[in-house]
Formats: sequence, C-alpha cells, structure tokens
Amino acid sequence: SQKIEQNSEALNIQEGKTATLTCNYTNYSPAYLQWYRQDPGRGPVFLLLIRENEKEKRKERLKVTFDTTLKQSLFHITASQPADSATYLCALLIKAAGNKLTFGGGTRVLVKP
Amino acid sequence: GAVVSQHPSWVICKSGTSVKIECRSLDFQATTMFWYRQFPKQSLMLMATSNEGSKATYEQGVEKDKFLINHASLTLSTLTVTSAHPEDSSFYICSARDRQGNSGANVLTFGAGSRLTVL
Repeated sequence: SQKIEQNSEALNIQEGKTATLTCNYTNYSPAYLQWYRQDPGRGPVFLLLIRENEKEKRKERLKVTFDTTLKQSLFHITASQPADSATYLCALLIKAAGNKLTFGGGTRVLVKP
Repeated sequence: GAVVSQHPSWVICKSGTSVKIECRSLDFQATTMFWYRQFPKQSLMLMATSNEGSKATYEQGVEKDKFLINHASLTLSTLTVTSAHPEDSSFYICSARDRQGNSGANVLTFGAGSRLTVL
C-alpha cells in the first residue's frame, strides 16, 4: 500500500527564515502531489498542486518541488511569518488507487517572532 | 472560490444515540464528496466516497451500517453515525470536488470539520 511520510516533529523556525518541509512516498508514483494547510480544529485548505511532469511550482512565498526519482516533494515557505504557523499536509493522488487523495501525517510549523 | 459548509461544527451526544453531520457545497455542484476522520495529531483517513444518486463507497475497515452516508443532491451529503459510542469520538471532515474540476486535478475543498464527542 502507499506510504506517505512527513516529519512528525514540529518545525520551529524564526520569523523571516525559510521553512522546508519534506514529503516522501513509496510504491506508486502519484499523478499529482498537493499541499494543504490545516489550522487547529479546522479543515485543510488547498495551497499548491504539482504534477508528475513538473519539477517546481511557486505561489507567492510558497515553493514546491517534486522529484519522482527520489519519490520526494519539498515544500518551502520563504520569509516565514508567525501567521504561517499551522500544520502542513501533503497529499497524493494515485490513479492506480482509484484517483483517491491519500494524506501524509502532516508537519506542524511554528514561526516565532 | 468553492466553499463547503459543514454542520454542526461540534456535537456532544450520549452513547447509543445517532448523530447526523451535513456537508453542503455552497457555490458549486459536487457529484462526489469525501468523508474523512481525523484523530488528534494524526492524518486524515478517508472513510468513504459519497456519490450523488448512488451508494457510497466505503474504505476497508469502515462499517457502512455504522456510518450511513446519503448524497441525495448535487450540493448535499450527510454522514450519520449510528448508535454512537465513545470510540466514535473524533473530528469528521467532508470535502468536495468541484464538478467542473480544477483542470481535472482533483483538488478538494474541505468543510471546517465536525468535532463529535460521545459521552
């Protein structure tokens, strides 16, 4: 079965620095890889999507890379702000698994002023 | 943008009672909705896929008689937790995929979640 690993340890980072999160997966290659933000007690909110034939995607201060050889995606928050503090989830869409989105465990980010 | 409304946001019930959670797509039609369950500090686990006008598809290990799903219209899916027990206490989140798709990328719009506490 598909396994998606995100660093379960919280990432503490100083305001202004770049936060880098990792998402590793095994077995199937996803058609898409998505990143969501989840605040406590709330549902996830979609941030970015990257396709299997794309290497990098950017949106404002966010950047996502996708290496299908390493089976890894990196998620970067540049010039981090305390408002960026949240849990970030990666999710994979696997066609072979019926086009379902499978989520990683998420990494909590805490940006300190 | 697409908005999904989920109600109630929290509910407390006695053991043995049933609880219904509603999930509505407010500004788009959703032929497919998904129900997830999330325990504290854990990831979202897909429970079932709700299909408009047909039976829901349940993930392995999810009791369909325990978690009744009805998707009677293109904008409403309901999850009913029947004969709830304390172990059913969890955060239930629904999501929908815009029928028009997001370039076919299956981006999901999530509701705000429903916190169920069974005493």
